[in-house]
Amino acid sequence: GENVEQHPSTLSVQEGDSAVIKCTYSDSASNYFPWYKQELGKGPQLIIDIRSNVGEKKDQRIAVTLNKTAKHFSLHITETQPEDSAVYFCAALFSGSARQLTFGSGTQLTVLP
Amino acid sequence: GAGVSQSPRYKVAKRGQDVALRCDPISGHVSLFWYQQALGQGPEFLTYFQNEAQLDKSGLPSDRFFAERPEGSVSTLKIQRTQQEDSAVYLCASSLASGEKLFFGSGTQLSVL
Repeated sequence: GENVEQHPSTLSVQEGDSAVIKCTYSDSASNYFPWYKQELGKGPQLIIDIRSNVGEKKDQRIAVTLNKTAKHFSLHITETQPEDSAVYFCAALFSGSARQLTFGSGTQLTVLP
Repeated sequence: GAGVSQSPRYKVAKRGQDVALRCDPISGHVSLFWYQQALGQGPEFLTYFQNEAQLDKSGLPSDRFFAERPEGSVSTLKIQRTQQEDSAVYLCASSLASGEKLFFGSGTQLSVL
């Protein structure tokens, strides 16, 4: 079945440094890849997404890259701030499924002041 | 309200009790999803509605789980004869169409004792 692997499970960076989270997916027919940020006690919040016909997308300090050949995509956060501390989830929408997202297991990002 | 609203925020049930969890999606959102999130894990798909039609219920773990959206707006997830393994956060999400750009509620944390 569809599977999304996410690494690392925890990540600590100094304020101002960059953070990178990587995900791989199993189905080459996947066509939509969002990233969600989840703060304690809240639901996941969409922060950026990318479609399979695009290699890279950027929104201020956040960027996502997609390598369709290798079936992996990454989240890049630059100039990290303490408020970036949260759990980040990648997800993939597999084209053969009934429009359901499959999520990775999450990365706990801690930005140290 | 502007976002997806879920109630109750917390629910404690004794093993064997029935529970009902409510989701009020963003007005005008056609698609509605229920996800289950275990502690430290990513959300896992339960079921999907397009308007009032339940198009996919492949993620429901057993026949004790039932979901409905009778008028294509508010949805209820019902769990009969709750078991300890049902303890989790139940997330509801809605979108304008399909599985893209999902907006999540804050979830209902269910604890079965």
